[in-house]
Amino acid sequence: DSGVTQTPKHLITATGQRVTLRCSPRSGDLSVYWYQQSLDQGLQFLIQYYNGEERAKGNILERFSAQQFPDLHSELNLSSLELGDSALYFCASSVGGAGGNEKLFFGSGTQLSVL
Amino acid sequence: AQSVTQLDSQVPVFEEAPVELRCNYSSSVSVYLFWYVQYPNQGLQLLLKYLSGSTLVKGINGFEAEFNKSQTSFHLRKPSVHISDTAEYFCAVSKGGGSYIPTFGRGTSLIVHP
Repeated sequence: DSGVTQTPKHLITATGQRVTLRCSPRSGDLSVYWYQQSLDQGLQFLIQYYNGEERAKGNILERFSAQQFPDLHSELNLSSLELGDSALYFCASSVGGAGGNEKLFFGSGTQLSVL
Repeated sequence: AQSVTQLDSQVPVFEEAPVELRCNYSSSVSVYLFWYVQYPNQGLQLLLKYLSGSTLVKGINGFEAEFNKSQTSFHLRKPSVHISDTAEYFCAVSKGGGSYIPTFGRGTSLIVHP
């Protein structure tokens, strides 16, 4: 058990809808990272938050947004969903935010299916 | 920009045989390198990492990797695999090109046959 909790584990929705994925980092970790894993793109970095503030941005679509709350949990919001958004979404956490040498702890992921 | 290439998408091997999973990275500056493992229906977990110093890095579950700067490689090895090693293995690089966010390869599926 990594200590990172993601909910829900599975999500099935229709095109055009909006969903929210939730992540609780390990106790004491200040950074949260969101990754998207799909068969054709592999593991793609979306966005990082550190202690409530956006720290780094990757290949995140404008239809997607995220935030980190004062209790350090994070939510990833996906809107106007398309079939191509179907993927496994991972949240990871780390103690710090910008060293690059840190171990990431991953949650078990949220499997999103857009029908 | 930094990038990672895992040359094999799938590596089948028999139990107790040795295995090598290949990883090459692209960066013009010094990097940090990682191997993560993903078991079915689980998130990724760190196997080992190279930050500096000795080029041979030992990790958990008997795995080791060797950093080769001249060949920009970080291959993962295990002298004798078990059925339980069947999983997806990801190589990752950070710090290269100024990005401190880990960039992951496409993954290599290790399939251990009895």
